[in-house]
Amino acid sequence: EAGVTQFPSHSVIEKGQTVTLRCDPISGHDNLYWYRRVMGKEIKFLLHFVKESKQDESGMPNNRFLAERTGGTYSTLKVQPAELEDSGVYFCASSSIFSGGLPRETQYFGPGTRLLVL
Amino acid sequence: QKEVEQDPGPLSVPEGAIVSLNCTYSNSAFQYFMWYRQYSRKGPELLMYTYSSGNKEDGRFTAQVDKSSKYISLFIRDSQPSDSATYLCAMSFIQGGSEKLVFGKGTKLTVNP
Repeated sequence: EAGVTQFPSHSVIEKGQTVTLRCDPISGHDNLYWYRRVMGKEIKFLLHFVKESKQDESGMPNNRFLAERTGGTYSTLKVQPAELEDSGVYFCASSSIFSGGLPRETQYFGPGTRLLVL
Repeated sequence: QKEVEQDPGPLSVPEGAIVSLNCTYSNSAFQYFMWYRQYSRKGPELLMYTYSSGNKEDGRFTAQVDKSSKYISLFIRDSQPSDSATYLCAMSFIQGGSEKLVFGKGTKLTVNP
């Protein structure tokens, strides 16, 4: 079974440009999460999709970030316009939908996209 | 005060040593306590999780949770060079069908042959 995949693996852009990150979750996983790690800081939650709906976007830093998950499959995270402080590693994770009575469903992480804004 | 505190290390030990990694937390609502391992240029990989106070063993790894002290630990017995990685503690609770993980900064471990 293929794991979570992310594209591109690296991106170097200039301040003010636009970048779009893509995440393909594990097939059949309805939950999709975006996280970000800024250098020197911990990994932080950005948002959570259940199928195509945004369940929780409380971690999105500002309106320069736009996440979509059309059709409930892959997701994109667009940063427009990019700022220097957006540099970091963006992780995507996916999990099965929660089933009543089970403790929790494991979130499986992708390898991340390393974004550098110059 | 950060919700999750983890000493970033780095930690360097000889092969065969017992490794102890620790995190403290402040949010009493956390229900699940996890340890992730992250190799360089890879995503975090779940090692173990637990949801109750006490110990949970899996091979050479033991996860320990003390909810009264808000303290979790990961012990690695007979450490191997292949255990060299960054270890991240993470905690969560499920609310409204959503679970967001709250991570510590991670501890970089090197096991020397």
